[in-house]
Amino acid sequence: ETGVTQSPTHLIKTRGQQVTLRCSSQSGHNTVSWYQQALGQGPQFIFQYYREEENGRGNFPPRFSGLQFPNYSSELNVNALELDDSALYLCASSPQGLGELFFGEGSRLTVL
Amino acid sequence: DQQVKQNSPSLSVQEGRISILNCDYTNSMFDYFLWYKKYPAEGPTFLISISSIKDKNEDGRFTVFLNKSAKHLSLHIVPSQPGDSAVYFCAASEDFGNEKLTFGTGTRLTIIP
Repeated sequence: ETGVTQSPTHLIKTRGQQVTLRCSSQSGHNTVSWYQQALGQGPQFIFQYYREEENGRGNFPPRFSGLQFPNYSSELNVNALELDDSALYLCASSPQGLGELFFGEGSRLTVL
Repeated sequence: DQQVKQNSPSLSVQEGRISILNCDYTNSMFDYFLWYKKYPAEGPTFLISISSIKDKNEDGRFTVFLNKSAKHLSLHIVPSQPGDSAVYFCAASEDFGNEKLTFGTGTRLTIIP
């Protein structure tokens, strides 16, 4: 059974650019959540997808958007990148309703 | 507005002794609490959880205590082992099965051999 995998692991972008981060959920998990972890902070909830629909959103602007695909893989898209978007982006999957999240290793985004 | 607070950024404990990590919360709607452990270059991994209907939950060397009136929870690790050295995050949600978690800022635990 493979766990949650994310790509890329590291990337560097410049202000104003757009980025797409990808996540493959753990087998059998139909819910995916995305979190942003800034340096020295705990992870912050961005949004969650269940059966390809957004199922809850944190306090993030609309330039943060996502998709979940029929195979339960997911993408996080961020438009018009700002310096403060520099962070570790964590994807987590779960069988819906379990309450426990299974995290990937994260994608570290640096915005210059 | 930090709804989940871990006021100790770091903690050092001798191997074999008890490690106690603390967490406070302000949102009275939180009903389910979890602890996650994170090693460098890895994602957080689930450690233990507790529902607000209980005041204690135990799993091997790990015990979580919840004091709902004080809005305080703690994680006890006994005996502490070198492999326990990691960053520990406290997290909360408004009900069991709600995967929208609010995390604290973490406590870096170092176990001294």
